[in-house]
Amino acid sequence: QVQLQESGPGLVKPSGTLSLTCAVSGASISNDNWWSWVRQPPGKGLEWIGEVYHSGSTNYNPSLKSRVTISVDKSKNHFSLKVMSLTAADTAVYYCARDPDGSRFFDSWGQGTLVTVSS
Amino acid sequence: NFMLTQPHSVSESPGRTVTISCTRSSGSIASNYVQWYQQRPGSAPTTVIYEDNQRPSGVPDRFSGSIDSSSNSASLTISGLKTEDEADYYCQSYDGSIPVVFGGGTRLTVL
Repeated sequence: QVQLQESGPGLVKPSGTLSLTCAVSGASISNDNWWSWVRQPPGKGLEWIGEVYHSGSTNYNPSLKSRVTISVDKSKNHFSLKVMSLTAADTAVYYCARDPDGSRFFDSWGQGTLVTVSS
Repeated sequence: NFMLTQPHSVSESPGRTVTISCTRSSGSIASNYVQWYQQRPGSAPTTVIYEDNQRPSGVPDRFSGSIDSSSNSASLTISGLKTEDEADYYCQSYDGSIPVVFGGGTRLTVL
């Protein structure tokens, strides 16, 4: 059974860059899946950030595209998220998730990690 | 891009049946599958319905999904409500220009 685990700093400064990694176990990141990042501000709903395929192909939410980079490292079986030019509005729980076979739904999620943007 | 609109909250008594709606703002609801996720406080979402009406293994058959082209909406129905069903529920779909769109979420209270 696939397991996903987010890791990264819990506190980042305004105008800085958020960097998170999602370690994948129980499955190869090179299988025919898309790997996504989803975030949830405190007390609010889910927002899809973007996704990456093992080839390096990406798709992003148009509202975040200018500030976001998602990449994959097949040798480490993990994928990563960078969000630049942070503001307090980027404070959220960040989840990584798997879209099996490009089915356009998520069958596995990480537990999530809270990132707070504050000086 | 389209939006998915859900009621902010619904409530119902244990043992009863509740239906949560998800209305698509543009484009046909039938053109792309709709998924439903359950999120309990402090936990990650889990899938309760995928591809409009399919249940993952382990999800009880009290959960069912449907779509209605006349109202351009999808629905999640939970029958025989249990207190453990109390959670936030999110619908999700997609189209050719954006792979993932979430609804705003519905808080289900079982009282």
